[in-house]
Amino acid sequence: DQQVKQNSPSLSVQEGRISILNCDYTNSMFDYFLWYKKYPAEGPTFLISISSIKDKNEDGRFTVFLNKSAKHLSLHIVPSQPGDSAVYFCAASAGSGGYQKVTFGTGTKLQVIP
Amino acid sequence: NAGVTQTPKFQVLKTGQSMTLQCAQDMNHEYMSWYRQDPGMGLRLIHYSVGAGITDQGEVPNGYNVSRSTTEDFPLRLLSAAPSQTSVYFCASSSAHRYGANVLTFGAGSRLTVL
Repeated sequence: DQQVKQNSPSLSVQEGRISILNCDYTNSMFDYFLWYKKYPAEGPTFLISISSIKDKNEDGRFTVFLNKSAKHLSLHIVPSQPGDSAVYFCAASAGSGGYQKVTFGTGTKLQVIP
Repeated sequence: NAGVTQTPKFQVLKTGQSMTLQCAQDMNHEYMSWYRQDPGMGLRLIHYSVGAGITDQGEVPNGYNVSRSTTEDFPLRLLSAAPSQTSVYFCASSSAHRYGANVLTFGAGSRLTVL
């Protein structure tokens, strides 16, 4: 039962344009959603998160949008840069506090073309 | 500050062999966990621990054992390796917060091949 889904395995975008990565979830009990970025041969690194009580969170070039009614979130990267080429994982957790289990999606490989 | 350190980085085993993947963190994090990454499957939680002496199962615990005798270390044991355990394994840790998301810090991964 895949509770967090990333239906696009890959995405190619021109440098300077917007990258939009999508994520759907099924568990309405999720309280937090996170995005991680992963380069080859490295571990994932945290990018940005959003609480379920918000619909937008912004950090520099990265913005995450949450649509609770549609159980959908998206990560926008503007402008996209070649260094953004990586695999992006969407993740979610239920409950507050540091002991929540974190469930990951299958990942989307982003390629930013110079 | 080393963060989360995993050893070995690469390992090849034969079916039926046992081995331990080591994970150590120097951030005094209470929460530690193991994930495996497989093509098309994303990151799946194997086991996790919320403190020394406390462990629990994740989504895919079968074939793996863990223990947490210290805050710093969280080894993952394969008692009898199977080809289905060929994967890249990631250890991750976080500090407990009363509020907010559980933001994990990951190690660099251990690539395991079982022949």
